[in-house]
Amino acid sequence: KNQVEQSPQSLIILEGKNCTLQCNYTVSPFSNLRWYKQDTGRGPVSLTIMTFSENTKSNGRYTATLDADTKQSSLHITASQLSDSASYICVVSASPGGYNKLIFGAGTRLAVHP
Amino acid sequence: NAGVTQTPKFRVLKTGQSMTLLCAQDMNHEYMYWYRQDPGMGLRLIHYSVGEGTTAKGEVPDGYNVSRLKKQNFLLGLESAAPSQTSVYFCASRSGGEGLTTTGGYTFGSGTRLTVV
Repeated sequence: KNQVEQSPQSLIILEGKNCTLQCNYTVSPFSNLRWYKQDTGRGPVSLTIMTFSENTKSNGRYTATLDADTKQSSLHITASQLSDSASYICVVSASPGGYNKLIFGAGTRLAVHP
Repeated sequence: NAGVTQTPKFRVLKTGQSMTLLCAQDMNHEYMYWYRQDPGMGLRLIHYSVGEGTTAKGEVPDGYNVSRLKKQNFLLGLESAAPSQTSVYFCASRSGGEGLTTTGGYTFGSGTRLTVV
């Protein structure tokens, strides 16, 4: 069964600190892995997209890593800001026999406190 | 350039009532999707469309119908609402022509929060 699991479920950090969010997946056939940021009351917004051959990708203070062998990904946030408070969703894209399918994790809810 | 617009933003229905959620995109995207988001779960695909006049079932299609009469619009209908359909509904779109392994971005709307009592 295709699954994407994220940890922790929620996290509280102080402004200026770094944090790392984890994503483990069992998806086949794997196409690519995406991280999205979802602000409260809004739709998800793409942060990074990585294919099988990419190990790391950055978008400003966000850096995603991918280990396709262990089927793990992480999202590292550097020098957190209050505006980073949101849910972060790991999404794995599969291509099972016909269409491009997204499998969503449940997300990690991050709260950045001053 | 509005992106993906969903209407309404909020709605409360009584069990058995019907309604239609509208999704409109102005990016000339081929593919459009309807997802639902429930607490503690990832987004789940309800129905999708790969072009004007086409629709297909996703992961959780029961109790929903869709139509894509115009390329820019994707409608989600609930014929007889049930409390289990209380959820936040998201529409998304992306451009096509990139094959199954596309790394193309999905653009999401802001969601419709539906409560069925």
